[in-house]
Formats: sequence, C-alpha cells, structure tokens
Amino acid sequence: GAVVSQHPSRVICKSGTSVKIECRSLDFQATTMFWYRQFPKKSLMLMATSNEGSKATYEQGVEKDKFLINHASLTLSTLTVTSAHPEDSSFYICSVTSGSYRYNEQFFGPGTRLTVL
Amino acid sequence: QKEVEQDPGPLSVPEGAIVSLNCTYSNSAFQYFMWYRQYSRKGPELLMYTYSSGNKEDGRFTAQVDKSSKYISLFIRDSQPSDSATYLCAMSNQGGSEKLVFGKGTKLTVNP
Repeated sequence: GAVVSQHPSRVICKSGTSVKIECRSLDFQATTMFWYRQFPKKSLMLMATSNEGSKATYEQGVEKDKFLINHASLTLSTLTVTSAHPEDSSFYICSVTSGSYRYNEQFFGPGTRLTVL
Repeated sequence: QKEVEQDPGPLSVPEGAIVSLNCTYSNSAFQYFMWYRQYSRKGPELLMYTYSSGNKEDGRFTAQVDKSSKYISLFIRDSQPSDSATYLCAMSNQGGSEKLVFGKGTKLTVNP
C-alpha cells in the first residue's frame, strides 16, 4: 500500500496560536486527500475533503476559517488550525487516495496529536 | 440514531480464541464496507474490504455483510496477542475515494 507521513507527530501549543500539520504521500500521487479528527473513545470524524488545486470541501459543522486546508500538490496537503483553543486538542489524521489503487482505497497517515494548553 | 453503531468494548480474549466484532448501520445507501485496525497512537490500516453483501476471507480474518439486516461482522480466528488493537468499521456509498463513515471502534486485547 501507499506510504503516508504526517508532520509533526505531536505538537503542544499555547491557546491562540496557529499550528500547521503536513500530510505527505510518499510514493504515489494522491488525487484526493481527507482530514479526520479523532477524540478519545470516539469515531474518526471527517473534517474535509480536498482535491489538488481545488478548494477543500468541509463537512457540516467544521469551520473552514479555523481549519485551513491547502492541497498544494498531488503529494502534499496541509491543515492549519488557526487561533487554537483547548477544545481543538485532538488526534488529526489524514488519508489519501488515488484511482490507481484497488477500490480507490484510502491510506491513512500515522496521525498528529495536538494539545492546546 | 447514529449512522454507524459499534460497541466500543473493551473486549478481552485469550490467545487462540475466535473473536467476533460487529457494526450496525442505518443508511441503506452504503455499498462498501471496510474494517480497519488501529494500533495505539497510529493511523488506521485497512484489513478487509467488501462490496455489497456476502463474505470475504483473508487468512485468519473473515468479513461478513448482511445488507438486509444492515449488519456487518469481522471474525478473527486463532487470535494472537499481536491482534490487540482497536478495530473500526467504516462504510461508504461509493467506495474508498468517497467519504467514509466510521464506527467508534472496538478495543480488543488478546491475552497470551
């Protein structure tokens, strides 16, 4: 399967600051990237879907001005949490997909744990 | 009613046991059904992928889908301590390139 990396793996920041999380597809060109958020003992919740060169499509209830997504290339997407607050503390996971794989399978990154103090 | 329901467990079994995990769902439009395994502090990895109803077997893992009952299952035979993880079911209308709806995940511990 595809290899997906995320950076950083863990970040701690002060309330009010912005944090950028990178998602990279290392060995194939991802036509679509997804950003999920996972709270403890909760489901992965899709935040937004992005296609290279297009604006991201956000799920209902996700503030697009707070969670900025940039899908700059077929191998890189970034999620910026702006003016982070303690309630934004969560595990953020990206996934990528390409039509060249069976079932258009989604491959997940290892996740980024964000803690906002 | 949530779109996908999954008992979060935890589930603890002895090594060698047969494990049964399952999910129910409410959206009859779901056509693609997946099981992911997630180790602690890691991203999910795809275990099984099934389209529509039926069974699929891969080694010690068997996935079953019963669309008439809106019920899916994952069976693990001869469970091993390395199977200890959280198992998430996921579903979509149009395959993996589209939005996936996940269950909460069931935490499984296989004791040696």
